[in-house]
Amino acid sequence: GAVVSQHPSRVICKSGTSVKIECRSLDFQATTMFWYRQFPKQSLMLMATSNEGSKATYEQGVEKDKFLINHASLTLSTLTVTSAHPEDSSFYICSPRTSGSTDTQYFGPGTRLTVL
Amino acid sequence: TQLLEQSPQFLSIQEGENLTVYCNSSSVFSSLQWYRQEPGEGPVLLVTVVTGGEVKKLKRLTFQFGDARKDSSLHITAAQPGDTGLYLCAGNAGDYKLSFGAGTTVTVRA
Repeated sequence: GAVVSQHPSRVICKSGTSVKIECRSLDFQATTMFWYRQFPKQSLMLMATSNEGSKATYEQGVEKDKFLINHASLTLSTLTVTSAHPEDSSFYICSPRTSGSTDTQYFGPGTRLTVL
Repeated sequence: TQLLEQSPQFLSIQEGENLTVYCNSSSVFSSLQWYRQEPGEGPVLLVTVVTGGEVKKLKRLTFQFGDARKDSSLHITAAQPGDTGLYLCAGNAGDYKLSFGAGTTVTVRA
């Protein structure tokens, strides 16, 4: 199967700081990147969708100025949580989608963010 | 409100028993996926179903897609402790965004 990496896998930061999460598709090109957030014992909630070279589209209730998404290349996308607060503590998962695929998305291993 | 309703939310069974997880919606999906997720990891794709009435088997797992492409089920035969995990169904309504069900936490006791 396709290989997707996320870095870091875990991060602990102080309230008010910013955290950048990287997502790389290692053996394919991702024209579309989805970013999800998952709270404990809950399902995945879509935060935003980005296409390479374009601005991300955010889901309702997700602050675009707080969660900065960059999809500068077909193999790399980043999510920056700015001025993080404890309520931002969650499991963040990227999900790249290849062009021409038939509705199958690949998922990264996730990043556990804990904001103190 | 979730587009996809999964049931049950929790399932705890003894090793060797069978189990079924259901995924229902009032919407029609062009495709539906089932994933299994372990704590601290991303979801891993188990199967994709695209045709109404389709049945797919993956060893002890059997997946069905409803005739109207609104519902699906996952059946595990002779469950093993290694089947423990969070099972998620996710549907694509045609806009390339996956909508996830709330998930079913399955625990198989040895």
